[in-house]
Amino acid sequence: NAGVTQTPKFQVLKTGQSMTLQCAQDMNHNSMYWYRQDPGMGLRLIYYSASEGTTDKGEVPNGYNVSRLNKREFSLRLESAAPSQTSVYFCASKRTGGSNQPQHFGDGTRLSIL
Amino acid sequence: QKEVEQNSGPLSVPEGAIASLNCTYSDRGSQSFFWYRQYSGKSPELIMFIYSNGDKEDGRFTAQLNKASQYVSLLIRDSQPSDSATYLCAVNIGTDKLIFGTGTRLQVFP
Repeated sequence: NAGVTQTPKFQVLKTGQSMTLQCAQDMNHNSMYWYRQDPGMGLRLIYYSASEGTTDKGEVPNGYNVSRLNKREFSLRLESAAPSQTSVYFCASKRTGGSNQPQHFGDGTRLSIL
Repeated sequence: QKEVEQNSGPLSVPEGAIASLNCTYSDRGSQSFFWYRQYSGKSPELIMFIYSNGDKEDGRFTAQLNKASQYVSLLIRDSQPSDSATYLCAVNIGTDKLIFGTGTRLQVFP
């Protein structure tokens, strides 16, 4: 019963390096999300994919790109990492069915940019 | 700017007491309201959701919604030290998105 799986769990990068965070869900959910969580800032939406084949910007998309590879997988890419992108990144997914469906979260990726 | 406001706390309650966590939101069009619990270093975990005005009970947890006042709360009865965590309030924005509050840290002391 895996749910939402994120890889890697921890990563340290140097400024300017690139990195792709992977997310996969096995719940047959249509919608997937990437958030970042910083102390005192709460969860902020980076990008989301309401259905396979679509992606949309969230609140803080600058410096990130996403790919909805298929229904199961949604990746987040940092092309040129910056120290301001040091954060905990969470992937989430949700069933289709409107606003009353909750989002379910992965365990997170803790990313440090030096 | 749509917002969800929570008191950051910490809210400290003795074991066995009722903990009351509050949340206000700005978007009158919001229809769905969620409470997540997040232990330190862990991911958010859904504990309650509510869509209709009034109370919804699930075990020791009760969610309360007042759409006219744009207010949602979570009551935890018989609080236990294991309830010590940060509680996130989330409100829908349209069909697909949620906006989260910054969370209230709850401490239950023996």
